[in-house]
Amino acid sequence: SQTIHQWPATLVQPVGSPLSLECTVEGTSNPNLYWYRQAAGRGLQLLFYSVGIGQISSEVPQNLSASRPQDRQFILSSKKLLLSDSGFYLCAWTQPGQGPYNEQFFGPGTRLTVL
Amino acid sequence: AQSVSQHNHHVILSEAASLELGCNYSYGGTVNLFWYVQYPGQHLQLLLKYFSGDPLVKGIKGFEAEFIKSKFSFNLRKPSVQWSDTAEYFCAVNGWGSQGNLIFGKGTKLSVKP
Repeated sequence: SQTIHQWPATLVQPVGSPLSLECTVEGTSNPNLYWYRQAAGRGLQLLFYSVGIGQISSEVPQNLSASRPQDRQFILSSKKLLLSDSGFYLCAWTQPGQGPYNEQFFGPGTRLTVL
Repeated sequence: AQSVSQHNHHVILSEAASLELGCNYSYGGTVNLFWYVQYPGQHLQLLLKYFSGDPLVKGIKGFEAEFIKSKFSFNLRKPSVQWSDTAEYFCAVNGWGSQGNLIFGKGTKLSVKP
């Protein structure tokens, strides 16, 4: 069966510090991968998605970047965090070969607080 | 551009009450529709989905939703809620011909009083 992992689970970082959040998927190959941010009262905002290694699409201009160095690994990064980067970050995946028109499976999330 | 509106930010019900959470979307073409639920401390998980066919879809835990194309709606219903239904509920849509990525509503928090 497929599983999705995210770490760390919680993170408190000062403004201006770098960020690296990691997401890995097990039990499938060539999944589509997604990064979302969930802010209170604002739902889930899609940040990045990837349909393959090295292929990243950005949905919203921001202070963050994403990379996919391996087939089942998706990394969310920032060089300098802003207060507005605080939130709950979710990684998700969908079955390969079916495009994004399918159910997404979500990871446990990372709670980021920028002070 | 696609968008999803969930009408209620927070709904408070007593056990055994009936539930209906509103969801409206904007997209002119064919859509896939989803309801996701996030129980306290748990992963976001799929409650039900509509791709095609019967517009009344049934999901887990007694939930159902009806797709009304003319109203661009996909409301979630449950005849009798339980305390364990306390959670946040998200409606989502992706449209064929668009990028296909899920667009989520802002969510509705449901609190069920025992």
